[in-house]
Amino acid sequence: DAKTTQPNSMESNEEEPVHLPCNHSTISGTDYIHWYRQLPSQGPEYVIHGLTSNVNNRMASLAIAEDRKSSTLILHRATLRDAAVYYCILRDETGGGADGLTFGKGTHLIIQP
Amino acid sequence: DTAVSQTPKYLVTQMGNDKSIKCEQNLGHDTMYWYKQDSKKFLKIMFSYNNKELIINETVPNRFSPKSPDKAHLNLHINSLELGDSAVYFCASSRSGQGYNSPLHFGNGTRLTVT
Repeated sequence: DAKTTQPNSMESNEEEPVHLPCNHSTISGTDYIHWYRQLPSQGPEYVIHGLTSNVNNRMASLAIAEDRKSSTLILHRATLRDAAVYYCILRDETGGGADGLTFGKGTHLIIQP
Repeated sequence: DTAVSQTPKYLVTQMGNDKSIKCEQNLGHDTMYWYKQDSKKFLKIMFSYNNKELIINETVPNRFSPKSPDKAHLNLHINSLELGDSAVYFCASSRSGQGYNSPLHFGNGTRLTVT
C-alpha cells in the first residue's frame, strides 16, 4: 500500500470543527482513501472512505484534493467522544480486499472541553 | 448484537505456555484478520484468511497459527509464548472480492500479558 503522512497529534476545542490532514503523494489511480479511528481501549472503527469525490456520512466528511495527493477528514462539531487516534490509509481496489489494511502512526486528536 | 467478538478480553499467562484466542463474527463476512498492537500502539496485520487463501505476514513467527473451523470464526493459537508476545490482539472481518472496498469491522481486542 502507498504511504500516507499525518501529523502526530492535533488539538481542538469541543463543539468546533476539526480538519485532520493526510498527505499521500504516491497514491495510485486504484487506491481508495480510507479513514479509521481508534478510541481508547477499543478496536479501530471505520469512519469514511472515498476515491475522487468528496464524501459525507453521519460521522464525518472527506475532502479529497483534485490531484488526490492529499485529503482532509472533517469532523463538523467535535465532542469529547471524538478524542481518538485517526488513521488515514490507502487501499488498492484491485486487491480484492483480502490483504486487509496497513496502519501508520495516525494522528492523536485531543479535544479540550 | 456484537458484530465481531473476541474472547477472552484479558489473558495472563507464563512463558512457554500455549494459548488460544477466539474470534467470531456475525456479519456474514468471508474474510477475517488478526492484528497485533504492541506497547508503542503500532497496529500490524498478522494474518488475513478467507475460504480461498491464507495470507501470512512474513514477520509473524510460526508459533502463531490461525485456525478457522468455519467462515464465522478465526481463532489464533500461540505456542511457546514469549515475553515479546505481550500485546493487544485484534480480530477483524470484512467482505472481500474483486472491486469490493468494504470496511473492516474490528473486535475490542484481547490483552495478552506474558510473565
